[in-house]
Amino acid sequence: QITLKESGPTLVKPTQTLTLTCTFSGFSLSTSGVGVGWIRQPPGKALEWLALIYWNDDKRYSPSLKSRLTITKDTSKNQVVLTMTNMDPVDTATYYCAHRDDLNPDSCWFDPWGQGTLVTVSS
Amino acid sequence: SYVLTQPPSVSVAPGKTARITCGGNNIGSKSVHWYQQKPGQAPVLVIYYDSDRPSGIPERFSGSNSGNTATLTISRVEAGDEADYYCQVWDSSSDQGVFGGGTKLTVL
Repeated sequence: QITLKESGPTLVKPTQTLTLTCTFSGFSLSTSGVGVGWIRQPPGKALEWLALIYWNDDKRYSPSLKSRLTITKDTSKNQVVLTMTNMDPVDTATYYCAHRDDLNPDSCWFDPWGQGTLVTVSS
Repeated sequence: SYVLTQPPSVSVAPGKTARITCGGNNIGSKSVHWYQQKPGQAPVLVIYYDSDRPSGIPERFSGSNSGNTATLTISRVEAGDEADYYCQVWDSSSDQGVFGGGTKLTVL
């Protein structure tokens, strides 16, 4: 059974850096085709894809947020970390991490997802 | 960047068929995936690769994709199907994931 869980601060101040950790079980991030992605959802709004890290340490970022995002993995700890710099109130959202498993590099679907963690940006 | 367009809302009576569309430029050339999200819960994958169902997803959920439109079809709709539904693709040209704006399914 694959599970993922997000952890990190629930409140950050504007201009601060957000660091979120996704701790997972039931799969290895060293297996070909496997990846972990981050997706966020502002309250009452749609899902927004943020970043993806592959088993081979290849990384992809949302072009609109690329300058602010960094995704890393620690395979031995079964963790993926997302950092987002220069936080703003518009970044208030529930942040999800999710499992990806597909050898096709031109496709990416997420299953399952973590429960999500709400991050509020406010002074 | 690639844009996916979904109707904001779809309403259907119990027992009827709901169809939720996802429009995109030549989306038929991409693999489309669909998620169901109930209030206060994380999204759940209901269709991947246009029409494949993960284990545990009822056969009432099906998908198709051609031309500029992908469609999620829910047959014999039940009250428990009321949720937000999102389509998603991987845009290889920009190397990013893309979600549609979501469709709220209301069961009358």
